[in-house]
Amino acid sequence: KAGVTQTPRYLIKTRGQQVTLSCSPISGHRSVSWYQQTPGQGLQFLFEYFSETQRNKGNFPGRFSGRQFSNSRSEMNVSTLELGDSALYLCASSVGQGMNTEAFFGQGTRLTVV
Amino acid sequence: AQSVSQHNHHVILSEAASLELGCNYSYGGTVNLFWYVQYPGQHLQLLLKYFSGDPLVKGIKGFEAEFIKSKFSFNLRKPSVQWSDTAEYFCAVILYSGNTPLVFGKGTRLSVIA
Repeated sequence: KAGVTQTPRYLIKTRGQQVTLSCSPISGHRSVSWYQQTPGQGLQFLFEYFSETQRNKGNFPGRFSGRQFSNSRSEMNVSTLELGDSALYLCASSVGQGMNTEAFFGQGTRLTVV
Repeated sequence: AQSVSQHNHHVILSEAASLELGCNYSYGGTVNLFWYVQYPGQHLQLLLKYFSGDPLVKGIKGFEAEFIKSKFSFNLRKPSVQWSDTAEYFCAVILYSGNTPLVFGKGTRLSVIA
């Protein structure tokens, strides 16, 4: 059974540009969540999608957005990149949310903004 | 707002020493609790989880955790650490209802020295 796949693995972008990251969840999983991981801050929740609907959103500026497609694949977009957006972006998939389900994580996309 | 606190930022232990990492959460209501581990250069992996029943749960690689509802705690333990346990450890909590996202603590970096 294939795991959570994130593409690309590494990205280098310039300040002011925009970027799109992709996440393919485990087959059969309908919930996808995105996290930003930085040293000392742990994993900060960005947003969560379930059946193409955003169910929860973290405390990030509107430059961060996402969507989920009918096949459960998800993308997140960051516009007008800032140096502080440099981080590891993690995607997690699960069958649902809560209710005794667990989240499985991808390898992440390492974004460097220069 | 819901939060998860991990008491130790960095723990350094000698091989064969015992380990206990603290985790407290601020949720009310029924929760699902998790410990994840991130080995250097690898993706997040589930160490163990608590859904219900026996509050002492056992995970992979000899780890265990105890859920103490009255203290809102879910501490991770291992009787004897190995050099290969060097990693970052994250505690995570979600409401059973799924109405909130999976929220992580800031992580504890464990360094095991020979």
